[in-house]
Amino acid sequence: NAGVTQTPKFQVLKTGQSMTLQCAQDMNHEYMSWYRQDPGMGLRLIHYSVGAGITDQGEVPNGYNVSRSTTEDFPLRLLSAAPSQTSVYFCASRSKVTGRADTQYFGPGTRLTVL
Amino acid sequence: EDKVVQSPLSLVVHEGDTVTLNCSYEVTNFRSLLWYKQEKKAPTFLFMLTSSGIEKKSGRLSSILDKKELFSILNITATQTGDSAIYLCAASSGGSNYKLTFGKGTLLTVNP
Repeated sequence: NAGVTQTPKFQVLKTGQSMTLQCAQDMNHEYMSWYRQDPGMGLRLIHYSVGAGITDQGEVPNGYNVSRSTTEDFPLRLLSAAPSQTSVYFCASRSKVTGRADTQYFGPGTRLTVL
Repeated sequence: EDKVVQSPLSLVVHEGDTVTLNCSYEVTNFRSLLWYKQEKKAPTFLFMLTSSGIEKKSGRLSSILDKKELFSILNITATQTGDSAIYLCAASSGGSNYKLTFGKGTLLTVNP
């Protein structure tokens, strides 16, 4: 059981470039989320998904797109990178089974720098 | 708007001290309060609290929830340098649009 995996671990982009952060989980979790973490800001929700084919915006969605074609994968796309998107990105998943639904599992994170 | 506020934002103590971290919340359809520890990588789960007044304990860490006053505390006794981390508090809200709202975290530094 690999849990939640993210690639890449580190990435440097130039302003205007696009890229996709990959996230996969092998726990058959229905819910998946993307967060960004900036110093002193805690974790802020970018987008989330409650199942394959269903996504919704979180607190800070601008500049990011997501899709959920399978239960396992939830990629995050940066359409045109900006320096304000320099951050650490965490993917997370959780079950919707009652009694286990509140515990969220996090991936190891992707540290993104936009120059 | 859902809100979770943690205090203090940072704290420096000496090994052996006892610390109390605070978390207050205002969320719609509150379900549970969660504590995470983050040490330079992904947050790791510590506790989930759903009922008022029932203490959860794991070694030197303990936590309690007050649903009437809408807050939780995380206590760490006999602190060690390995306790140095960011401690995150999050409130989950129920309904079909489950949501987890995080506080900004408390940075705890334990000096030898």
